Amino acid sequence: GAVVSQHPSWVICKSGTSVKIECRSLDFQATTMFWYRQFPKQSLMLMATSNEGSKATYEQGVEKDKFLINHASLTLSTLTVTSAHPEDSSFYICSVSGPNTGELFFGEGSRLTVL
Amino acid sequence: AQSVAQPEDQVNVAEGNPLTVKCTYSVSGNPYLFWYVQYPNRGLQFLLKYITGDNLVKGSYGFEAEFNKSQTSFHLKKPSALVSDSALYFCAVSPGPAGSYQLTFGKGTKLSVIP
Repeated sequence: GAVVSQHPSWVICKSGTSVKIECRSLDFQATTMFWYRQFPKQSLMLMATSNEGSKATYEQGVEKDKFLINHASLTLSTLTVTSAHPEDSSFYICSVSGPNTGELFFGEGSRLTVL
Repeated sequence: AQSVAQPEDQVNVAEGNPLTVKCTYSVSGNPYLFWYVQYPNRGLQFLLKYITGDNLVKGSYGFEAEFNKSQTSFHLKKPSALVSDSALYFCAVSPGPAGSYQLTFGKGTKLSVIP
């Protein structure tokens, strides 16, 4: 399966600051990456689909100006949480589609805590 | 719209006993069905998938799942549970390859294997 790396694993920031999370596909080129958000004891909710070289597609209810997604290369997508607030504290997980048969492979996740 | 139901929030099983984690789904057309496992503060690990073919699918770590079209179910099973199987399990469905179609997750089932 695909190997997906996320960085950082943990981040704590002050309210009002911006935080960038990186997602890398290590062993194949991913034209599409997906960003999910997971609240404690809840399921994964798709935030946006990141497309290499074009604008991301956001799910309904997700603020595109708050959650900036950049997919500048075939192996890297970034999610920037701008002007973070405590309610943005969550577990953010990226994924890529497998190169063969369409299952998703996930990164290890990034836990954001906004103080 | 597609949906996934995991009716049990938690399943407890004694080590060595068989385990079942239930999943039912709703989707238009032929389903692509997946099981993922999540350990604390980690991303999701792919266990197995059903796309077509044999209704009994074998996956990683000795897990298997049975696709039942008439009951729209895709229950996860393992003949003999290990303590290390204790984790959060997610069932997911999409109407096509997960990279091209949105993957919808169930709310997850926490499996606890008791020594």
